[in-house]
Amino acid sequence: KNEVEQSPQNLTAQEGEFITINCSYSVGISALHWLQQHPGGGIVSLFMLSSGKKKHGRLIATINIQEKHSSLHITASHPRDSAVYICAAWGGSEKLVFGKGTKLTVNP
Amino acid sequence: NAGVMQNPRHLVRRRGQEARLRCSPMKGHSHVYWYRQLPEEGLKFMVYLQKENIIDESGMPKERFSAEFPKEGPSILRIQQVVRGDSAAYFCASSRDRLNQPQHFGDGTRLSIL
Repeated sequence: KNEVEQSPQNLTAQEGEFITINCSYSVGISALHWLQQHPGGGIVSLFMLSSGKKKHGRLIATINIQEKHSSLHITASHPRDSAVYICAAWGGSEKLVFGKGTKLTVNP
Repeated sequence: NAGVMQNPRHLVRRRGQEARLRCSPMKGHSHVYWYRQLPEEGLKFMVYLQKENIIDESGMPKERFSAEFPKEGPSILRIQQVVRGDSAAYFCASSRDRLNQPQHFGDGTRLSIL
């Protein structure tokens, strides 16, 4: 079992819909990253959080340390949000442990 | 204010050749991480370096792979005698300090082995 689990694996939405991607982890962590990877492209760090909630534009990330769970929300989704979203947990070993990613497709 | 620069973007090698992947961290960053993404798989940690030191290489295969981050110049991930299974995307990330610092990723090097 992977130490970081994401759901769903694939997600298709219509433009304008509210999107939620979930991440559960079994390791004790000090921080959690949400990353975005476009097809054939690089990786962009969206958020790093260790408690509470962070917001950037239409993106919101939350984390519940007690429940070992984080969510990434996208409001008013747009086709340009189509990408793979990756959750990565930073435990005490200083190594990032990655989920397998959620492939999001937003149709116009 | 350049981000993390990786080159080349694409590298093709024949089995048995050597592959050298370069990573220049963001200005002011002295911590470099290398990750590998195999086709249809998630990212996996390979090695963590600080200037002139390997801090953690537990994710790197013991044979054929090596990494360095010299005092001057980029970090280099070197793969000797490449095999088909080395085909992957290799990403480099850098951070200003260790622990709980955001990591900034490069665009990756796509390595293809013929």
